[in-house]
Amino acid sequence: QVQLQESGPGLVKPSETLSLTCAVSGYSISSGYYWGWIRQPPGKGLEWIGSIYHSGSTYYNPSLKSRVTISVDTSKNQFSLKLSSVTAADTAVYYCARGAMVRGAPGWFDPWGQGTLVTVSS
Amino acid sequence: SYELTQPPSVSVSPGQTARITCSGDALPKQYAYWYQQKPGQAPVLVIYKDSERPSGIPERFSGSSSGTTVTLTISGVQAEDEADYYCQSADSSGTYPYVVFGGGTKLTVL
Repeated sequence: QVQLQESGPGLVKPSETLSLTCAVSGYSISSGYYWGWIRQPPGKGLEWIGSIYHSGSTYYNPSLKSRVTISVDTSKNQFSLKLSSVTAADTAVYYCARGAMVRGAPGWFDPWGQGTLVTVSS
Repeated sequence: SYELTQPPSVSVSPGQTARITCSGDALPKQYAYWYQQKPGQAPVLVIYKDSERPSGIPERFSGSSSGTTVTLTISGVQAEDEADYYCQSADSSGTYPYVVFGGGTKLTVL
């Protein structure tokens, strides 16, 4: 079955760039679907960060757009997130997930990775 | 910006029916999706396209839609259903579509 696994530093200094990778197994990214990043600050709700189509088209949360870059590496069957100029407010569990498109709009996310906690602190 | 509104909490006794609502202006035009999240775990999809249930999700989970409100119904609630539930939809009215999550509802089984 499809599995996703996030990886990257668990601690990032303020003003630096957060970088995470999501490795996909059991499905080829280039075959379709879109691939997303979602985060969850401790004790709070879910926030969509952005998504990338298998073709490379990207869609970002307007509130984060100026700081976010999502890319895909089909040769490694993985996709990545970069979030620049981080602050303590970016401390969260970061999830990657496979998404469906429905009638030209983002649909559901399934499955999700287990998530990785990233703390922004000096 | 587009928002989805959920009640912060819902409480029911075992065996009763829990209903969790999600309201948003674009819901008549966009599907809604529901996720269950237990402490320390990733969200799990329990309803897609308003009322479809993924394989492996118990039949006691169902979804419905009426106007600007969608509802997740859990019939015959069990202790294991205690979790946070999030609705999700999309806003495609702007330059490009983007994803929106509701604030989440904590379901407590008394």
